[in-house]
Amino acid sequence: ILNVEQSPQSLHVQEGDSTNFTCSFPSSNFYALHWYRWETAKSPEALFVMTLNGDEKKKGRISATLNTKEGYSYLYIKGSQPEDSATYLCAVYGGATNKLIFGTGTLLAVQP
Amino acid sequence: EAQVTQNPRYLITVTGKKLTVTCSQNMNHEYMSWYRQDPGLGLRQIYYSMNVEVTDKGDVPEGYKVSRKEKRNFPLILESPSPNQTSLYFCASSLGSGDYNEQFFGPGTRLTVL
Repeated sequence: ILNVEQSPQSLHVQEGDSTNFTCSFPSSNFYALHWYRWETAKSPEALFVMTLNGDEKKKGRISATLNTKEGYSYLYIKGSQPEDSATYLCAVYGGATNKLIFGTGTLLAVQP
Repeated sequence: EAQVTQNPRYLITVTGKKLTVTCSQNMNHEYMSWYRQDPGLGLRQIYYSMNVEVTDKGDVPEGYKVSRKEKRNFPLILESPSPNQTSLYFCASSLGSGDYNEQFFGPGTRLTVL
């Protein structure tokens, strides 16, 4: 079974700080990596879907990189704002399973 | 508005009383999936469907059934619910299989089985 690990589990930062978290996965049989943002009492929303080694994607102050050879992805948030507070989920699609395997998420709290 | 809807949003029931959670999407997506979310665990897939009349087990299918008679609907059936099925459930859909295509999630159904 594909194991997707996210670190840290939780993070508290001050407004204006830049931050990043990690998603690790087995590098063999990799197909795609997804990042989702999940606000409390809402449903997860897609940020990025990444497939190629070296891929970099950006949406506003949030960006992500992908290293499929070593099996990790970083999510960066520049100048964190209180509205960035959420759980950030990573999910990996690997092998011939037709399944997206989710990590347990990183809970980000941004203090004003 | 493109969306995935689930009903009910909240449900408290008793052990053994059959229930169905409905899921519907209006985006003409082929792929639909059910997940459950429990504290300390990632979203775990229960069942998925690649297209009409095509369903398959996810990682935690025990105690659940699904059907896909129409493209837009993918109900989750608990024939005899038990307390260990108390959880937050999400339905999701995507254009193709869940690899290169982002998943669109429903609002969630919080189920409590007493």
